[in-house]
Amino acid sequence: GAGVSQSPSNKVTEKGKDVELRCDPISGHTALYWYRQSLGQGLEFLIYFQGNSAPDKSGLPSDRFSAERTGGSVSTLTIQRTQQEDSAVYLCASSLVASGGADTQYFGPGTRLTVL
Amino acid sequence: AQTVTQSQPEMSVQEAETVTLSCTYDTSESDYYLFWYKQPPSRQMILVIRQEAYKQQNATENRFSVNFQKAAKSFSLKISDSQLGDAAMYFCAYRSFNDMRFGAGTRLTVKP
Repeated sequence: GAGVSQSPSNKVTEKGKDVELRCDPISGHTALYWYRQSLGQGLEFLIYFQGNSAPDKSGLPSDRFSAERTGGSVSTLTIQRTQQEDSAVYLCASSLVASGGADTQYFGPGTRLTVL
Repeated sequence: AQTVTQSQPEMSVQEAETVTLSCTYDTSESDYYLFWYKQPPSRQMILVIRQEAYKQQNATENRFSVNFQKAAKSFSLKISDSQLGDAAMYFCAYRSFNDMRFGAGTRLTVKP
């Protein structure tokens, strides 16, 4: 596809359930980023991948959050035992290569997660 | 920790007029980038303009320009000849090699 795609667009789940959010970056982009946007807030950086490697996972809010990327393409963000405070829009972005700011990130439309 | 502050939760401008959105940041780094992103109701973040900290010249992209004051750690966005399509949330962002932070955003309304 031409842009970054994310699925599902919206996800409603019950507290305590696990969810998987998917990001499909622009073809050829080696860097992939995950962000969380809570209601009325700016974006919170969660994690980034250069290829299949995530150099720094310290942005993940808790050990219930994990992310993986295989084949240098699609990435999955998994939230285990969801809590109501996990409700937010999860945005994914990709760029040609992670270069500390010189690269332009292209964002997907996000997944709105609601935990009841 | 680096912080990014947008002191104007909401701003309003008349169509064809000029508006300036404010942003300040805190960092001990000397090499970093600053960004303004636009987020329309579709949620998709769009890069408006980027400034490299080591460049003294202010970045410009058509009707969008910045006033970068490195010593004051200020990075404001000026939108000239405002158009209805400029209405959106605008986020200021800071990025160094291992860190990226966003401000809380400014909601811009454009009145016809």
